[in-house]
Amino acid sequence: DTAVSQTPKYLVTQMGNDKSIKCEQNLGHDTMYWYKQDSKKFLKIMFSYNNKELIINETVPNRFSPKSPDKAHLNLHINSLELGDSAVYFCASSRGSTSYNEQFFGPGTRLTVL
Amino acid sequence: EDKVVQSPLSLVVHEGDTVTLNCSYEVTNFRSLLWYKQEKKAPTFLFMLTSSGIEKKSGRLSSILDKKELFSILNITATQTGDSAVYLCAVGVGGWGKLQFGAGTQVVVTP
Repeated sequence: DTAVSQTPKYLVTQMGNDKSIKCEQNLGHDTMYWYKQDSKKFLKIMFSYNNKELIINETVPNRFSPKSPDKAHLNLHINSLELGDSAVYFCASSRGSTSYNEQFFGPGTRLTVL
Repeated sequence: EDKVVQSPLSLVVHEGDTVTLNCSYEVTNFRSLLWYKQEKKAPTFLFMLTSSGIEKKSGRLSSILDKKELFSILNITATQTGDSAVYLCAVGVGGWGKLQFGAGTQVVVTP
């Protein structure tokens, strides 16, 4: 009965590789988000999709490409991984796309780039 | 640039103590202020505040927002070891659900 799930939980890879992280929510929400939490624990929004449409696209290198095949799924593909991409990536979802809608977070994916 | 500042960055208290956490903000287009608790994994939602001066309560936790002075506080009374966590403050900015997070306050409750 997991609400927001992410796979994989851990990802260790070499610089220059391409990797994907997947997120699924079973809450019936229509908006999903990707956040990056760096070593200093700051959570920063990267992207948001509402009904499969991109609505937030922060200043993120274009090596990062989100894809939302349907309302319940949001994937993050990262090309040419760099050391600075090491972080925990959280997916979140909400019912509604405004700042008045609480966001529910997944368990995170810890990415380590060697 | 939007800014959310939490204080203190960390604190250690004994079980039974009361804790007060602060969150101040400077953002354009304020919509809401949210508090989350983060233990080892996902941040879990605690409160959302949108109106000034109205306290939200849940058990031993309570929070209030002051939109004039641009801050919020989160109180935890009669702390327990299970309250040990990082408490995150986030401000909803603009119309599209963008949350600007603070750095968090690490709370350690010792038995």
